[in-house]
Amino acid sequence: DAGVIQSPRHEVTEMGQEVTLRCKPISGHDYLFWYRQTMMRGLELLIYFNNNVPIDDSGMPEDRFSAKMPNASFSTLKIQPSEPRDSAVYFCASSLSTHGTEAFFGQGTRLTVV
Amino acid sequence: DAKTTQPTSMDCAEGRAANLPCNHSTISGNEYVYWYRQIHSQGPQYIIHGLKNNETNEMASLIITEDRKSSTLILPHATLRDTAVYYCIVRVASSGSARQLTFGSGTQLTVLP
Repeated sequence: DAGVIQSPRHEVTEMGQEVTLRCKPISGHDYLFWYRQTMMRGLELLIYFNNNVPIDDSGMPEDRFSAKMPNASFSTLKIQPSEPRDSAVYFCASSLSTHGTEAFFGQGTRLTVV
Repeated sequence: DAKTTQPTSMDCAEGRAANLPCNHSTISGNEYVYWYRQIHSQGPQYIIHGLKNNETNEMASLIITEDRKSSTLILPHATLRDTAVYYCIVRVASSGSARQLTFGSGTQLTVLP
């Protein structure tokens, strides 16, 4: 397996534009997580899914953020409209529900909103 | 999940053992200790985890004190590629429970040539 795949790796967009980040988890993994990393706040969990169902979205900062998982092999994180303070690295991770298994992270998407 | 305390930064000479401490004095009986690391510009990477016994894998060793209030991650022969931020995380890991990881500030380990 190629691991967790995120796209794009880098995104530069203008304030007010819609941004969509994509994630393909490791095949067979039933948990998917979206994290955001900034210098000020470190790594923050935004939302996670189990079997494609959102379980906890309490970390989603505002209604401008939304996430979907239409099937087991694909998830999106959308920001609409984007703002400069959304600039960060966004990571997707996946894991199995089996006791004690670790989470595997993608390489991240570096988002810059100008 | 229990809170953890780690030093902000540490240095280690290349080829020597790197010992990274973590305090988790409020850990509960069903909480595991996990270690992840994040090399610059990459996603976090799992290293090792344990409950109360010492653990070893191809990357590192994890030593947990008998009272489980602290632990040490040991990289036996540090290389320059081990320079990274190391995160100690404590969480419940029972089947069916939530899987999210809560990251603190971690320890910046710098391996010096």
